[in-house]
Amino acid sequence: DAGVTQSPTHLIKTRGQQVTLRCSPKSGHDTVSWYQQALGQGPQFIFQYYEEEERQRGNFPDRFSGHQFPNYSSELNVNALLLGDSALYLCASSLDAGPYEQYFGPGTRLTVT
Amino acid sequence: AQSVTQLDSQVPVFEEAPVELRCNYSSSVSVYLFWYVQYPNQGLQLLLKYLSGSTLVKGINGFEAEFNKSQTSFHLRKPSVHISDTAEYFCAVSENRDDKIIFGKGTRLHILP
Repeated sequence: DAGVTQSPTHLIKTRGQQVTLRCSPKSGHDTVSWYQQALGQGPQFIFQYYEEEERQRGNFPDRFSGHQFPNYSSELNVNALLLGDSALYLCASSLDAGPYEQYFGPGTRLTVT
Repeated sequence: AQSVTQLDSQVPVFEEAPVELRCNYSSSVSVYLFWYVQYPNQGLQLLLKYLSGSTLVKGINGFEAEFNKSQTSFHLRKPSVHISDTAEYFCAVSENRDDKIIFGKGTRLHILP
């Protein structure tokens, strides 16, 4: 049973560019949450998708947007990249009607230069 | 608003010695509490969770935690640590099933030989 997968593993972008990160949830899960983990910090909640809609959003600017597809996979898009966007981006999946537990993927390391 | 305070940024402990990682939270309502572990260059793995019921929660890898509502604490303990326990540990809180998870800044557990 594959767990949560994320792609790419690493990427380097330049300030002002746009980036798309991808996440496939654990088999059977229907809810995807995204977190940003800056170096030396705990993860911070960006947003959560359920039934292809953004259900909750953390304190992140509109430059951060997302999407959930009918197969429950998800994308995180960041526009107009800033140096401060450099971080590990974590995707977590869960089952809305199941026991409350989020499974995390290995993350995508984004470096903005 | 919810918040989590992990009182120690680093905890050094000798192998086979006991360890306690401290966590305090603030919330105006009932909470769900979690401990996650992050090994180097990996995503987060759930160690244990408290949703309701017994205040002593047992998790994986020999870890346990005790929920203390009066002290708003959820400290993590292990009676005997191993070198493989070297990792970053995150305490987290959520106010309901569908809510975002708020993480602390983490405690780095450093096992001394």
